[in-house]
Amino acid sequence: QSVLTQPPSASGTPGQRVTISCSGSSSNIGINSVNWYQQLPGTAPRLLVHSNDRRPSGVPDRFSGSKSGTSASLAISGLQSEDEADYYCAAWDDSLSGSYVFGTGTKVTVL
Amino acid sequence: QPQLQESGPGLVKPSETLSVTCTVSGGSISSTSYYWGWIRQPPGKGLEWIGSLFYGGTTYYNPSLKSRVTISVDASKNQFSLKLTSVTAADTAVYYCARPIKQDGVVPFDIWGQGTMVTVS
Repeated sequence: QSVLTQPPSASGTPGQRVTISCSGSSSNIGINSVNWYQQLPGTAPRLLVHSNDRRPSGVPDRFSGSKSGTSASLAISGLQSEDEADYYCAAWDDSLSGSYVFGTGTKVTVL
Repeated sequence: QPQLQESGPGLVKPSETLSVTCTVSGGSISSTSYYWGWIRQPPGKGLEWIGSLFYGGTTYYNPSLKSRVTISVDASKNQFSLKLTSVTAADTAVYYCARPIKQDGVVPFDIWGQGTMVTVS
């Protein structure tokens, strides 16, 4: 099972702001950077945020990431219908031999 | 931007070895300092990192799969491959290959293949 915990679902109406949390520990988020991925139905994941708060080229600035202690958050402002997707946080975990761990995933629904 | 394309058997019998290959186009595996990774996703479930390989030979594996996983590269074909031994139904998943956003970094992944579904039955 995943060591990064996310709420299973989140929702909002178009234009609203939605925030997704990701809870980890001192061996992952506490000492390593957090990344966020978006997965639209039937497609491969897409990197939305890396290094806690940096957006790759082409990612709208409506998506923003933050980190504090052993937790992180992804905020989607100005929610749009095309934002309906699964979202995963991820971070390197230094326990055992080291491993890249994904969060449990959050399904965002646009009402 | 390179493109990644997975290919696999579709169906594997329990206890046998699963083999999936990723073909890289638009960029050379051997002439850059990128790691190349595998991630899987069981039907209706979340993502699981399997492991990553650097052309020079360095590999990182998920500890929970390490005893059954081998990732290798064939530079002549510009491909890298995943082998998973002694498979069970729990290994049924979509298998993705991916490349990180930065050279010399194992993660995070910003270029992904479309994925290939492998069923163990």
